[in-house]
Amino acid sequence: GDSVTQTEGLVTLTKGLPVMLNCTYQTTYSPFLFWYVQHLNEAPKLLLKSSTDNKRTEHQGFYATLHKSSSSFHLQKSSVQLSDSALYFCALSDRTSGGNYKPTFGKGTSLVVHP
Amino acid sequence: EAAVTQSPRSKVAVTGGKVTLSCHQTNNHDYMYWYRQDTGHGLRLIHYSYVADSTEKGDIPDGYKASRPSQENFSLILELASLSQTAVYFCASSTGQRAETLYFGSGTRLTVL
Repeated sequence: GDSVTQTEGLVTLTKGLPVMLNCTYQTTYSPFLFWYVQHLNEAPKLLLKSSTDNKRTEHQGFYATLHKSSSSFHLQKSSVQLSDSALYFCALSDRTSGGNYKPTFGKGTSLVVHP
Repeated sequence: EAAVTQSPRSKVAVTGGKVTLSCHQTNNHDYMYWYRQDTGHGLRLIHYSYVADSTEKGDIPDGYKASRPSQENFSLILELASLSQTAVYFCASSTGQRAETLYFGSGTRLTVL
């Protein structure tokens, strides 16, 4: 079945440095990928999404490019802030046998930004 | 802004007891989902529903039942709660279309003792 892999469980950085959170996926259908962010004691919420190959998508200083050739949708930011400390989930819109769509999530990457 | 409300916000249950978690959405969305969150496992789908009076099994349905009595309401039922079901549970809704965003509730922290 479809799956999403996030290789880093924890990323720790100093404020102001760049970050890249990895996301790769497997699907038999044309992919639609999402990044969700969850701050401490809050619900996950959408950060950005894309289905267009090789097109950069941006939101709130974060950006990601879907690369179908490598099945990747890495999340990047050029300069992290303390407020970026959160749990980040990559997700794939997964088609069911009934023709509906349900999201499949990766295990998440916890980003901790230090002063 | 889409609205998904979960109750209770937290609950302590005893092993073997029955637990019901409730979710209500005002988004007019057809799809509703129950996810479980554990450290190191991310968000795992338990049950989902795309129409009232019908539910579908997700990836980890064992030990859980779901009920969708109306478009707005979706419940998760633990008939015999176990220690391993201690987790944070999130309800979410969406239109169910491929590109659509999930809107999550604030979560229910369940502790089974």
